[in-house]
Amino acid sequence: GAVVSQHPSRVICKSGTSVKIECRSLDFQATTMFWYRQFPKQSLMLMATSNEGSKATYEQGVEKDKFLINHASLTLSTLTVTSAHPEDSSFYICSARDNRLMNTEAFFGQGTRLTVV
Amino acid sequence: AQTVTQSQPEMSVQEAETVTLSCTYDTSESNYYLFWYKQPPSRQMILVIRQEAYKQQNATENRFSVNFQKAAKSFSLKISDSQLGDTAMYFCAFILGGSQGNLIFGKGTKLSVKP
Repeated sequence: GAVVSQHPSRVICKSGTSVKIECRSLDFQATTMFWYRQFPKQSLMLMATSNEGSKATYEQGVEKDKFLINHASLTLSTLTVTSAHPEDSSFYICSARDNRLMNTEAFFGQGTRLTVV
Repeated sequence: AQTVTQSQPEMSVQEAETVTLSCTYDTSESNYYLFWYKQPPSRQMILVIRQEAYKQQNATENRFSVNFQKAAKSFSLKISDSQLGDTAMYFCAFILGGSQGNLIFGKGTKLSVKP
């Protein structure tokens, strides 16, 4: 299957600082990327959907000014957690898909464990 | 709206035995795809198997097979000859055919394979 690389895998930051998470599709063009948050022992919760070159669409309850998403190219999307607080500590996962293809499978990054201290 | 239900929060199975994980879904559409994803302790989401709704034949991938009952909107995963490495969270997922949206996930089933 296609490869999606997500970095960093772990990050610890101080409260009030910003953290950027990168999601790259290595061998295909990702027209659409999805950002999820996963709490312990729970399913994936969709935060936002981004299409290359367009503004991200955020799910209800997700603060767009706090979770900045950029999808400027067909191989890279970034999620920036601004002014992070301990309650933002979580596991964040991206997935990517080329919606121009009939195959609707999405490929996932390795995830990022964010700890805000 | 489409929904996916996994009614077994946790299951366990002895090594080498067979286990079946349940999944039901709700949709009024006829063109869709169903998936089972595995999330081991590393938390990397791994596609286990996929099924196109228009295909009557149940998908199979080595030790993994599905029982797709379209009329009943059921999509169970059977793992044969369970191995310790099968220990993971398993998520059932749904997407409409041609959709550019996200996968709809169930809440997951935690499977423990015991030696």
